[in-house]
Amino acid sequence: NAGVTQTPKFQVLKTGQSMTLQCAQDMNHEYMSWYRQDPGMGLRLIHYSVGAGITDQGEVPNGYNVSRSTTEDFPLRLLSAAPSQTSVYFCASRKRSSYGYTFGSGTRLTVV
Amino acid sequence: AQKITQTQPGMFVQEKEAVTLDCTYDTSDPSYGLFWYKQPSSGEMIFLIYQGSYDQQNATEGRYSLNFQKARKSANLVISASQLGDSAMYFCAMGISGSARQLTFGSGTQLTVLP
Repeated sequence: NAGVTQTPKFQVLKTGQSMTLQCAQDMNHEYMSWYRQDPGMGLRLIHYSVGAGITDQGEVPNGYNVSRSTTEDFPLRLLSAAPSQTSVYFCASRKRSSYGYTFGSGTRLTVV
Repeated sequence: AQKITQTQPGMFVQEKEAVTLDCTYDTSDPSYGLFWYKQPSSGEMIFLIYQGSYDQQNATEGRYSLNFQKARKSANLVISASQLGDSAMYFCAMGISGSARQLTFGSGTQLTVLP
């Protein structure tokens, strides 16, 4: 089992550029989420999805878009990167009937 | 809105001793779950232990136990017989039914185990 796979692991963007962080899971989990982690803070929820075609905003959604066309994939799009989006991004998933979340290994993004 | 508070930015413990990491929470939702995650310096998030709001007994997983005091809204993590490999950042988190149990995290406690 690959679990939750995030790509890329590292990325440097220039201000104003756009990019997509990829997240894929092979566990048939219904729920998927994106979090960001900043120094001195815990993880904060950006967007989440409870199934294909259904997404909702979390605590810090501004500047990010998501879509969920398949159960397996939940990409996070940065529309116009800003230095404030420099962070470590985690994708997580869980089965609806379970409480346990599985996290990906993270993507470290730097916007210059 | 729900909130998780971890008031200990850093903790030190001697190897083989027990340590308690504090966590308090606030929510008006009667159905919730409380989690502890470990984040070593390599950066991955490792699930340690879970406590449901309706669980009568405190959760235990090996050397980890969760001291759940519902009336005080606290969910402290107890690590027994600390090991050098326990040195890491520890996060308390909560998921409530109203948000499809998406997690709200505390700011974390950096635990250092001394030889």
